[in-house]
Amino acid sequence: GDSVTQMEGPVTLSEEAFLTINCTYTATGYPSLFWYVQYPGEGLQLLLKATKADDKGSNKGFEATYRKETTSFHLEKGSVQVSDSAVYFCALSDLGRGAQKLVFGQGTRLTINP
Amino acid sequence: DGGITQSPKYLFRKEGQNVTLSCEQNLNHDAMYWYRQDPGQGLRLIYYSQIVNDFQKGDIAEGYSVSREKKESFPLTVTSAQKNPTAFYLCASRGVSSGEQFFGPGTRLTVL
Repeated sequence: GDSVTQMEGPVTLSEEAFLTINCTYTATGYPSLFWYVQYPGEGLQLLLKATKADDKGSNKGFEATYRKETTSFHLEKGSVQVSDSAVYFCALSDLGRGAQKLVFGQGTRLTINP
Repeated sequence: DGGITQSPKYLFRKEGQNVTLSCEQNLNHDAMYWYRQDPGQGLRLIYYSQIVNDFQKGDIAEGYSVSREKKESFPLTVTSAQKNPTAFYLCASRGVSSGEQFFGPGTRLTVL
């Protein structure tokens, strides 16, 4: 079945550092890819998405590019802030299938120190 | 404002009791989902519903039940058959043409 693998955390960086969180996927179809963010004690918020190969999703300084050849969707940010501390989830959904269930990675906890 | 609400935010249950978690959305979405989140883990799908009066089991449905009598509501019952119910429960909904799901704030269930 479909699956998502994220880089293991936790990840700790200093403010203004460059961030990369790796995400690779396995899917039989042509999935849409998502990054969600979860702040402590809250639900998930959609951070960005990409629906086809070579699409770049971006939001709040975060970017991720849908790479079909490497089955990857790595999350990047050029200069992180303390407020970016959260858990980040990579996910896929195959729009070609009726239920369009989301398959999540295990999450990566990010801590940014001032 | 449109969104998804879950109640209560915190819930405590004694062993052997059934409890029902509420999920309501005013986004006019057809599909709704229930996930379970355990510490340090990703989300696992419990049940989902694509239309009123219809629902399907997800990956970890044992010990849980749902109903979908109204488009806006998708309550989840955690039964006494669920052996390890302490977790954070998240409800989500999705529109017809969108692949993205919108999440509620979650309910943290603790079994005493």
